[in-house]
Amino acid sequence: AQTVTQSQPEMSVQEAETVTLSCTYDTSESDYYLFWYKQPPSRQMILVIRQEAYKQQNATENRFSVNFQKAAKSFSLKISDSQLGDAAMYFCASPLQGGSEKLVFGKGTKLTVNP
Amino acid sequence: DAGVIQSPRHEVTEMGQEVTLRCKPISGHNSLFWYRQTMMRGLELLIYFNNNVPIDDSGMPEDRFSAKMPNASFSTLKIQPSEPRDSAVYFCASSFGQLNSPLHFGNGTRLTVT
Repeated sequence: AQTVTQSQPEMSVQEAETVTLSCTYDTSESDYYLFWYKQPPSRQMILVIRQEAYKQQNATENRFSVNFQKAAKSFSLKISDSQLGDAAMYFCASPLQGGSEKLVFGKGTKLTVNP
Repeated sequence: DAGVIQSPRHEVTEMGQEVTLRCKPISGHNSLFWYRQTMMRGLELLIYFNNNVPIDDSGMPEDRFSAKMPNASFSTLKIQPSEPRDSAVYFCASSFGQLNSPLHFGNGTRLTVT
């Protein structure tokens, strides 16, 4: 079965510092999209950023960016200038089957931001 | 612009009772997904619909679970009879049904079966 692995159950960062959350996935497809979602204590799942696998350039959304290593099937999320509001669970997701709109999620990383 | 709407937000029921969870997807989205979230298993895809038709229900755990989508603006997930191990947060999500379409999630229903 295809899996998404987030090896860091918990991470912490000081406010204004930078943190990187790791994610690896497996797929045999060449064209697919990858996603990071944020789940704050409110429980809402919020899209943070997405990466197109056929693009060499890493996606960036304000303070959030990814380090996408296609050959290594690695898709890490970097949060710069961390803010207290960034504290949440972060989930990495990839298609269950390449080309499929069904997503499989990692187990998540709980991020704590210390003031 | 309303997002995905789920009801109820919380549901507490006794073992053996029927539970129905409801979802209204974003207008214009043609794919709808039901996920279950638990501490042990994380987010699991239960079933997904495209244009109101169930495409893949391989994640539905048992025959006690059933899902319907009678029209483009409404879906239900039913558990009958419910068991304590069904306690979880159930999410509904919708999308445009394309490869690059992100899922838009509702706020989830926290189900507790006692």
